[in-house]
Amino acid sequence: GAVVSQHPSWVICKSGTSVKIECRSLDFQATTMFWYRQFPKQSLMLMATSNEGSKATYEQGVEKDKFLINHASLTLSTLTVTSAHPEDSSFYICSAPSGNLPEQFFGPGTRLTVL
Amino acid sequence: QKEVEQNSGPLSVPEGAIASLNCTYSDRGSQSFFWYRQYSGKSPELIMSIYSNGDKEDGRFTAQLNKASQYVSLLIRDSQPSDSATYLCAVSSTGTASKLTFGTGTRLQVTL
Repeated sequence: GAVVSQHPSWVICKSGTSVKIECRSLDFQATTMFWYRQFPKQSLMLMATSNEGSKATYEQGVEKDKFLINHASLTLSTLTVTSAHPEDSSFYICSAPSGNLPEQFFGPGTRLTVL
Repeated sequence: QKEVEQNSGPLSVPEGAIASLNCTYSDRGSQSFFWYRQYSGKSPELIMSIYSNGDKEDGRFTAQLNKASQYVSLLIRDSQPSDSATYLCAVSSTGTASKLTFGTGTRLQVTL
């Protein structure tokens, strides 16, 4: 399958600071990437769809000004959690489809802890 | 609202037995169906994808799809302790790259 990487794998930050998470497709180009959040013992919740060269599409209830998404190239999407608070602590995972197939391949995830 | 439902488990099966995981979905227009395996603290890993009614086999895994009944299942033959994980069912409304709707997952425990 296709390989997706994320960086960092974990991050601890102070409340009020911003954190940037990178998602890269390593062996394919991705015009679309997806960002998910997963709280403990819960399933994945889609936050937004990242589109290369255009604005991201956010799911209902997700604050676009708090979770900034940039998809500047065909292999990189970034998620910035602005003014992070303890309730933003979660496991953030990106995914990307390879080509036009519907299968999505997930990155290893980023565990964010906000103190 | 599109929903995907799974029994949360845990489903406990002895080593070597067949594990059967089930999933139902509400959107009758769904076209693509996936099973992901997620180990604790890790991200999901694609196990199977299925698009048409019937069975699809890959090694010890068999996915079954019944669009009329709106359910999809995953059978794991010769279950191994390493199969112990949470299995997530995911559904897409299209046959091309689009967002997935996930179930809450079924936790599988394979006992020695």
